Parts: sequence; structure tokens; C-alpha cells
Amino acid sequence: QSVLTQPPSVSGAPGQRVTISCTGSSSNIGADYDVHWYQQLPGTAPKLLIYRNSNRPSGVPDRFSASKSGTSASLAITGLQAEDEADYYCQSYDTSLSGWVFGGGTRLTVL
Amino acid sequence: QVQLQESGPGLVKPSETLSLTCTVSGGSISSYYWSWIRQPLGKGLEWIGYIYYSGSTNYNPSLKSRVTISVDTSKKQFSLKLTSVTAADTAVYYCASLYCSGGSCYLNYWGQGTLVTVSS
Repeated sequence: QSVLTQPPSVSGAPGQRVTISCTGSSSNIGADYDVHWYQQLPGTAPKLLIYRNSNRPSGVPDRFSASKSGTSASLAITGLQAEDEADYYCQSYDTSLSGWVFGGGTRLTVL
Repeated sequence: QVQLQESGPGLVKPSETLSLTCTVSGGSISSYYWSWIRQPLGKGLEWIGYIYYSGSTNYNPSLKSRVTISVDTSKKQFSLKLTSVTAADTAVYYCASLYCSGGSCYLNYWGQGTLVTVSS
């Protein structure tokens, strides 16, 4: 059971918009710790997708955006493409566990 | 651009010690914290711990009693040792650079990962 809760799966057709939620608590996201997002394409290592809640590293398309509010965060992908099919993980810090924690991951399927 | 490469045995016997090394290239080992993360096949990510080039460490409390992370700055390498392994430690192990600023830390570069199987 992950400290950060994500839906196991989401799906959408090409060109559509999907969102992935990351729900935490007062000991992590709600304690004002930043949320970061990673994309893991099939058979590859995770890659940083969003850092500090809403910032995109160089090279990440602006189709990817994210936000944080209260004890939750969300990742949005617009103009869905087949190449976006991957697992997505959120990450934050948890004061109760005194360490960094990941969400359980969400598998995005492009229909 | 920082590149990381894991190396070490792919098979470890139960109760023995898992040992992996990560070699850093394309960047200074003093620029980041250096971290280990693992992922059981078909499952999610688990943070194991990190080390700074000075040698200071921080470990996942659930693994702390069995984990040691060390660094060799002259070789631009850092290493993971996990003792008394069981089948539950079978996973893909990743090394990564951890960028920290203003209390916010994220994993900005990752190695390709190495599968370690615990089996007799």
C-alpha cells in the first residue's frame, strides 16, 4: 500500500486529455512538500517528467502539465499520443516515514 | 549530461549480501546526492536510500537495518550493499542522481537498471 495513492490505470483516445491524480496526506503533500512526476516507458528506466509540482525539464513537451493543491496533485496530458503509453509515478517526501515516497503508479493506455 | 551505469551480480543466494555499483560519467560526483531505487517486476518504485559525496547517508527506514550505501569519489562510483536478502528483494535496481534544492529533491538522471534475482 503506497503512501501516495494513484489510480492503477487510465486510458484515452489519441488527441484526448487525461489526468492522473496523486493523493497524499498531511504528512507529505499536505505538509507542503513538492510533488515530482516520472514517466516509465515499457522496458525502460523512469524519466523525470515534472519537477517541483509544475515544472517541465528541457525536452518534455508542453502537452504535459501538473499542479498541486492541498493534499493532492495531478498530472495532465493533452493531445494524447501513442508514444505517451507508459507508467506514471508521483513522488514526494513524507515526514512520518522520514523519506521519499512514490505513488503506486498509473498505467496510461492510449486506445 | 550525467550518465549512470549499474553493475553487479544478477543472481544472489538467499541470506547472502546483494552488492551493486553505480558508475557516474558526464558530471561531477559532488554535484548531486546519489540514490538507489528498486522496482520488483511488475510493481512500483521503492526508494532505498541516498549518499552525498561527503559520505552522509539517508536510508528508507524499512530497509535501514540491512542497507549500506558508500561512495568512492576517486572512481566516481557509489555502491549498495543489502544484507540477508530474501526472494522479496528480487527487483530491478536503479541508481539515480538526486537533485536537492530548498528542501525539494527529485531524481533527475537514472541508470538503465539491473535485475537482481534472489534464488538458490
